[in-house]
Amino acid sequence: AQKVTQAQTEISVVEKEDVTLDCVYETRDTTYYLFWYKQPPSGELVFLIRRNSFDEQNEISGRYSWNFQKSTSSFNFTITASQVVDSAVYFCALSEAQGGSEKLVFGKGTKLTVNP
Amino acid sequence: GAVVSQHPSRVICKSGTSVKIECRSLDFQATTMFWYRQFPKQSLMLMATSNEGSKATYEQGVEKDKFLINHASLTLSTLTVTSAHPEDSSFYICSARDPNGVYNEQFFGPGTRLTVL
Repeated sequence: AQKVTQAQTEISVVEKEDVTLDCVYETRDTTYYLFWYKQPPSGELVFLIRRNSFDEQNEISGRYSWNFQKSTSSFNFTITASQVVDSAVYFCALSEAQGGSEKLVFGKGTKLTVNP
Repeated sequence: GAVVSQHPSRVICKSGTSVKIECRSLDFQATTMFWYRQFPKQSLMLMATSNEGSKATYEQGVEKDKFLINHASLTLSTLTVTSAHPEDSSFYICSARDPNGVYNEQFFGPGTRLTVL
């Protein structure tokens, strides 16, 4: 069965600090996709990144970066020089590619609070 | 990017009434839509997968007769909470998969907050 674990329930940092959100996943599939979503207090899920299982290249997008390590089944997310606007709940999710179900399995989320 | 809308964004109803929530893909045709439920401070839990023109596939533990899903067109899926009770109060989020998308990406609606009194 697929499972996504976000061990950090809540993180609080001061503005300009770097912060890493951890994500560990379990799947039997060899082909799968990993996602990160941001959910601000308004509730709408904001897509941040998608990564397929064959692409282990790290990615950087502005202050955001992602580290995908298949060997440890981890897909960690780092925010550099955090800002108050980064305060939100962040979800890591896993989707199987085979079987046609394409369901998303979400982790429990990490609530990030960035204090001024 | 693809846009998914939900209506209403917020609804308050009395116990025993039925509530219908609409999910629309605005700029693409979605053969598959998903309905999620999120309790306060918790994760999203998939309730059902809605396929256009066929019956929805419900996740284990989700009552089919309580949560009626209809996917009548390629741009609209509806979730009806029948005979709602206070325990049905939750944040309901839909998503739609763009069949022309590259990586199974689901586009999420803004959510509907249901409060049952």
